[in-house]
Amino acid sequence: EDKVVQSPLSLVVHEGDTVTLNCSYEVTNFRSLLWYKQEKKAPTFLFMLTSSGIEKKSGRLSSILDKKELSSILNITATQTGDSAIYLCAVVDNAGNMLTFGGGTRLMVKP
Amino acid sequence: DAGVTQSPTHLIKTRGQQVTLRCSPKSGHDTVSWYQQALGQGPQFIFQYYEEEERQRGNFPDRFSGHQFPNYSSELNVNALLLGDSALYLCASSYTGMTTFFGQGTRLTVV
Repeated sequence: EDKVVQSPLSLVVHEGDTVTLNCSYEVTNFRSLLWYKQEKKAPTFLFMLTSSGIEKKSGRLSSILDKKELSSILNITATQTGDSAIYLCAVVDNAGNMLTFGGGTRLMVKP
Repeated sequence: DAGVTQSPTHLIKTRGQQVTLRCSPKSGHDTVSWYQQALGQGPQFIFQYYEEEERQRGNFPDRFSGHQFPNYSSELNVNALLLGDSALYLCASSYTGMTTFFGQGTRLTVV
């Protein structure tokens, strides 16, 4: 059974800090790893990672996959209060039919 | 372009009742998946529909059933509701294994 574990469970930082969120996985026939941001209801797509060692970047957010270590990190630099959310990591197997999610990391950014 | 739309947004039902949730996928998407997200947890895969057939199913009882229509929209039905079915139900759509996008969800409360 595929498994995804995220750490830390929750994090409180101040505006301007840099944070690193972790995701480790066990999946048969890995296809891709996705990061989502969930503020209220709908998880919104951040990144899809398929190749190890290639950083994906969008503004202050970046993410990288390490297939050898079966893990990924999501970095947020110069955090803002608007970054406060639950960050979800999910993996997709080669069948590509379902996402297996971790429990999420709850990030709170204080002014 | 409308994204994934779900209805209703909120719903309160009594134990033992039946409920139907609806989802319209993002334009151009042919695959619809349903997820259950309990409070404080990551989404759990219920099932996926493609070409009007259930393609894969997660670890959910037969009380959970679904349907996909020729226009790719989908319904999730839950019979004999239990208190434990209270959750956020998320619909997600994709096109042949590409990035998955989520709707705003339906918050179901069973009393």
